[in-house]
Amino acid sequence: KNEVEQSPQNLTAQEGEFITINCSYSVGISALHWLQQHPGGGIVSLFMLSSGKKKHGRLIATINIQEKHSSLHITASHPRDSAVYICAVGDRGSQGNLIFGKGTKLSVKP
Amino acid sequence: KAGVTQTPRYLIKTRGQQVTLSCSPISGHRSVSWYQQTPGQGLQFLFEYFSETQRNKGNFPGRFSGRQFSNSRSEMNVSTLELGDSALYLCASSLGLAGDGEQYFGPGTRLTVT
Repeated sequence: KNEVEQSPQNLTAQEGEFITINCSYSVGISALHWLQQHPGGGIVSLFMLSSGKKKHGRLIATINIQEKHSSLHITASHPRDSAVYICAVGDRGSQGNLIFGKGTKLSVKP
Repeated sequence: KAGVTQTPRYLIKTRGQQVTLSCSPISGHRSVSWYQQTPGQGLQFLFEYFSETQRNKGNFPGRFSGRQFSNSRSEMNVSTLELGDSALYLCASSLGLAGDGEQYFGPGTRLTVT
């Protein structure tokens, strides 16, 4: 079993829809990261959080430490949001090494 | 402030050769981490350097090595290349230790081993 599980693996949405991507993990963490990867490979860090909720524009990230679960929400989705979204956790058991989920490929149709 | 830069961006090597990849972190960042990304395994942690010391290493064979210089620039080396080493190699820098702080990723080096 992977230490970081994401769902869904693939997601197709219509422009304007509300999107949720989920991440569950099984290790003790120092922090959880949400990353965005566009075709071509470049990765951008969207959020780093260890408790509660963060918001940046149309993106919202939440984390429940007790349930070892995080969600990334995108409100009013747009075709430019099409990318792979990756959840990663800093593993306290290995000095904070990042362990990555397999990613969620999001496609937003106009 | 300039972002994280990686050179070269693309590389084609033959089995058995060795390769060195370079990463220049954001100015002031002391941690540099290296990651391998393949379609089958996704992103995997290779190693992290902090203030010229290897802090931790992922589950990769000894053919994968790295180092960090006093200006925080880092290199990784892969010896005796295998076909399975074909991947996108990403480095990321952060102010403090990786995992605890926000990571800034470079554009990656795409290595093809033939």
